[in-house]
Amino acid sequence: NAGVTQTPKFQVLKTGQSMTLQCAQDMNHEYMSWYRQDPGMGLRLIHYSVGAGITDQGEVPNGYNVSRSTTEDFPLRLLSAAPSQTSVYFCASSKPGQAQTQYFGPGTRLLVL
Amino acid sequence: GQQVMQIPQYQHVQEGEDFTTYCNSSTTLSNIQWYKQRPGGHPVFLIQLVKSGEVKKQKRLTFQFGEAKKNSSLHITATQTTDVGTYFCAGSQGGSEKLVFGKGTKLTVNP
Repeated sequence: NAGVTQTPKFQVLKTGQSMTLQCAQDMNHEYMSWYRQDPGMGLRLIHYSVGAGITDQGEVPNGYNVSRSTTEDFPLRLLSAAPSQTSVYFCASSKPGQAQTQYFGPGTRLLVL
Repeated sequence: GQQVMQIPQYQHVQEGEDFTTYCNSSTTLSNIQWYKQRPGGHPVFLIQLVKSGEVKKQKRLTFQFGEAKKNSSLHITATQTTDVGTYFCAGSQGGSEKLVFGKGTKLTVNP
């Protein structure tokens, strides 16, 4: 099993550009989520999904869109990148229900100029 | 909304010294999880506590969950350079699957 994979590993964007951060998992996990990590801010939840076709907002959803057409994939879209979105983005997945271990991907480092 | 505070933000120790990080929630938690993130890496699950007053050990690491299920701690005995990283606590509330992470404690160990 590859676990949780994320692409790209690193990306530089100009303000106003759009891009999609890819996340895939092969563990048949129903729950998937996106976090951003900024220095001194810990991990903040952007969006999450409890299953295919179901998504919901987390703590910091503005400027990001998600969709969940399959169990395996959970892409994160930036429609118009801003410097404030410079961050490290982590995707995570887990089995459904409370108290489940979250498995994190290796992360995508995004720099918006 | 639910908040999870973690202290200290940074801790520098000499190898062999003990280390403790504390996690406090504004609300009662249904469970708490601890993760470790090595420099340049991603968070990796360490342990989960569910019961009030629960104590779990993993070699030199001791995890506690408070009686009121609002606080938790991670204690490392006799730190080693391999313990370097940021330790995060994360809790969920009620029936929610969402985890709220603390800001983490960054541990550095001087050999």
